[in-house]
Amino acid sequence: KQEVTQIPAALSVPEGENLVLNCSFTDSAIYNLQWFRQDPGKGLTSLLLIQSSQREQTSGRLNASLDKSSGRSTLYIAASQPGDSATYLCAAPGDSSYKLIFGSGTRLLVRP
Amino acid sequence: GAVVSQHPSRVICKSGTSVKIECRSLDFQATTMFWYRQFPKQSLMLMATSNEGSKATYEQGVEKDKFLINHASLTLSTLTVTSAHPEDSSFYICSARTGPYEQYFGPGTRLTVT
Repeated sequence: KQEVTQIPAALSVPEGENLVLNCSFTDSAIYNLQWFRQDPGKGLTSLLLIQSSQREQTSGRLNASLDKSSGRSTLYIAASQPGDSATYLCAAPGDSSYKLIFGSGTRLLVRP
Repeated sequence: GAVVSQHPSRVICKSGTSVKIECRSLDFQATTMFWYRQFPKQSLMLMATSNEGSKATYEQGVEKDKFLINHASLTLSTLTVTSAHPEDSSFYICSARTGPYEQYFGPGTRLTVT
């Protein structure tokens, strides 16, 4: 059964810092892994989708990597800004490719 | 991009009443939609998979008689919380599958049961 874990649970950094969010998963037979952003009281915004054949994906200041063999993914945020403050969730497919299993999220606060 | 809407965005109801939440795919057809529940400061937990034209598949521990799901068309799935109690208060989010490995999420519905 797929389990997804994220560390740290919360992170507070000053503006401008580069930071890394970690995600680990137990079942490495995945087709892809996704990173989402959730603002308080809102739905999910998809940030990056990494296919199993890829090692990383980039979008602007965001870079996500995937290492299936170790069951790990990282989300790198460069030059963080206060607007990046949100909860970041990673999700991996569950017992079928269509179900997503979410990690508990990392609550990020970027201080001005 | 694919857009998924939910209605209502917020609802307050009294204990013992039933509440219906709608999930619509606005610009695409979705044979499969998913319903998630999120408690404060916790992650999303998959409740059930909604399949157009057939019965929903519920995750372990989710009461199918309490959370009624109907996926009557390719663009609409509804979740009805029957005989709601305060412990059902939560943030309910739906998603619609657009392809083998992609889902688009709705904005969520905040349910408060008093």
